[in-house]
Amino acid sequence: QSALTQPPSASGSPGQTVTIFCTGTSSDIGSSNYVSWYQQHPGKAPKVLLFEVTKRPSGVPDRFSGSKSGNTASLTVSGLQTEDEADYYCTSNVGSSSVAFGGGTKLTVL
Amino acid sequence: EVQLAESGGGLVQPGGSLRLSCAASGITFSWYWMSWVRQAPGRGLEWVATINQDESVKRYADSVKGRFTISRDNAKNSLYLQMNSLGGEDSAVYYCATEEYFRFDHWGQGTLVNVAS
Repeated sequence: QSALTQPPSASGSPGQTVTIFCTGTSSDIGSSNYVSWYQQHPGKAPKVLLFEVTKRPSGVPDRFSGSKSGNTASLTVSGLQTEDEADYYCTSNVGSSSVAFGGGTKLTVL
Repeated sequence: EVQLAESGGGLVQPGGSLRLSCAASGITFSWYWMSWVRQAPGRGLEWVATINQDESVKRYADSVKGRFTISRDNAKNSLYLQMNSLGGEDSAVYYCATEEYFRFDHWGQGTLVNVAS
């Protein structure tokens, strides 16, 4: 079970737009409708931001959006705010038997 | 309000065993698939295991298969993780979470497992 590939870091200034990519394979992201993204602040439990590639749970601002192309999924954060500074993780199912996480991306708001 | 509370973590020697528990409240526990996800200190998240409502489906990460066992008691609204043959690579914060279509919606605050001599 290989991890999905994310850049270790990303950054942007308040108000800017940042996109984080998550690369997998045809066995996970490429064949999945179940790509999710999570936000984790230091010392806290993760929180789901997006599921099924593009859907937002209630309460998640529409500044967060997702997409997928081929074996790569992406999370876009628009109108960057200081509270968006956190770690972000992507996940995908791998067939029906397991879940793969990305290695995580630390987003810094400059 | 959904609450998941993990317990049972602590210091254990290499090769030892530990049983984690997760007590659920604020949800109809028996309706949910449940999972364990772990996070080694300073590292990323790793899916560990998943169980369905009636325990007929259990899935494990390759890294724990044959050593860890996930189980649940719906009457007690509780999820468990029996961990055997522990090694340093198992040191992590262990979170329990509800799972729906490979999505982890509700998370506990985690319990720390430290495997060291």
